[in-house]
Amino acid sequence: GEDVEQSLFLSVREGDSSVINCTYTDSSSTYLYWYKQEPGAGLQLLTYIFSNMDMKQDQRLTVLLNKKDKHLSLRIADTQTGDSAIYFCADSGGGSQGNLIFGKGTKLSVKP
Amino acid sequence: EPEVTQTPSHQVTQMGQEVILRCVPISNHLYFYWYRQILGQKVEFLVSFYNNEISEKSEIFDDQFSVERPDGSNFTLKIRSTKLEDSAMYFCASSRGGRVATQETQYFGPGTRLLVL
Repeated sequence: GEDVEQSLFLSVREGDSSVINCTYTDSSSTYLYWYKQEPGAGLQLLTYIFSNMDMKQDQRLTVLLNKKDKHLSLRIADTQTGDSAIYFCADSGGGSQGNLIFGKGTKLSVKP
Repeated sequence: EPEVTQTPSHQVTQMGQEVILRCVPISNHLYFYWYRQILGQKVEFLVSFYNNEISEKSEIFDDQFSVERPDGSNFTLKIRSTKLEDSAMYFCASSRGGRVATQETQYFGPGTRLLVL
């Protein structure tokens, strides 16, 4: 079945850029998403990219999509301590109604 | 900005009891979903709902689970006889459109943390 994989941990220093990577298996996805989960909180939609795009920029966030390699990345510029959270990559390829397939999440730790 | 809300935020129940988790989706959304996240594991799809019926369900969504839209605003998930392994965070989500539409982005509620003892 479809699968989404992410590395589990990333640690950066405040002010540096963070790059979180994701690979997915379903080639029929229309959208790919990044969600953020802060401790004890729900899933906050951060950004998404349509599958026929290769890049999307939204303020400090840059999403890169390599459809050939089924690789998605999220770059956070000038990472702040408030960016510390778990970041989930999700693929809309599941089922006919676009049920999301999530990765396990990457825990981003930002050190001052 | 409109958001998905869920109640309660936490629920503790005894094994074998019935629980109902409630969600109020965004008001002009037409597609509704439940997902769950067992502690330390992936967020998993349970069920999608459109036009007052289940569109799709995963293998997790067995006969112990049911969903309902009892009125124009609420969307509920019922677990008939809870098991220990049902302990998880349950997320409700809604979207304006489904997969074939251009507005399929799903917005999630804050979740209900269910603990079955």
